[in-house]
Amino acid sequence: SQQGEEDPQALSIQEGENATMNCSYKTSINNLQWYRQNSGRGLVHLILIRSNEREKHSGRLRVTLDTSKKSSSLLITASRAADTASYFCATALSDSSYKLIFGSGTRLLVRP
Amino acid sequence: NAGVTQTPKFRVLKTGQSMTLLCAQDMNHEYMYWYRQDPGMGLRLIHYSVGEGTTAKGEVPDGYNVSRLKKQNFLLGLESAAPSQTSVYFCASSPPGLAPHEQFFGPGTRLTVL
Repeated sequence: SQQGEEDPQALSIQEGENATMNCSYKTSINNLQWYRQNSGRGLVHLILIRSNEREKHSGRLRVTLDTSKKSSSLLITASRAADTASYFCATALSDSSYKLIFGSGTRLLVRP
Repeated sequence: NAGVTQTPKFRVLKTGQSMTLLCAQDMNHEYMYWYRQDPGMGLRLIHYSVGEGTTAKGEVPDGYNVSRLKKQNFLLGLESAAPSQTSVYFCASSPPGLAPHEQFFGPGTRLTVL
């Protein structure tokens, strides 16, 4: 199976609610990144958290990292219809300075 | 700045035909990547380059070749297209570092092989 796996595969919420997505991985990482992909578009980088960090914030985004459990979560607060997209975690393995391993993504639908 | 651009946006090939996908970036990034994305899946790395004149295989390199003759361009070639290569192809670039930085993606090329 892939290095990074997101959970759930799909999530449907009402506008204004919070959305939480999880990512699990298998091997030691240097950092973990989250990306967003709108339908038919390329990926856009959201946030990067290093292996020695536990939590990071960026606007309405909050990312946590638990290296002991090899897992990360992305929280989007006060969701908007414009947040509808697929979200991917990508792990930067400790033994590489350039490669990222992407998970299969969580499809988020925010209903107006 | 245009960022990362890809040419063409769409293409339909017949089995056995060849084509080249062009990726260009204007951010002076050292690292460039080619990925493919299949329905319901994440991105899989095909080939990558850590600098002008260098290329390396990724996770799924079979059936593809690449070249990085200029720092700003990264070409992906299909010598003899197969239906299994029907996919959306994304190019990305990133600056160098001790660990992978964020990657900047192009808009993608949707390829159908009949």
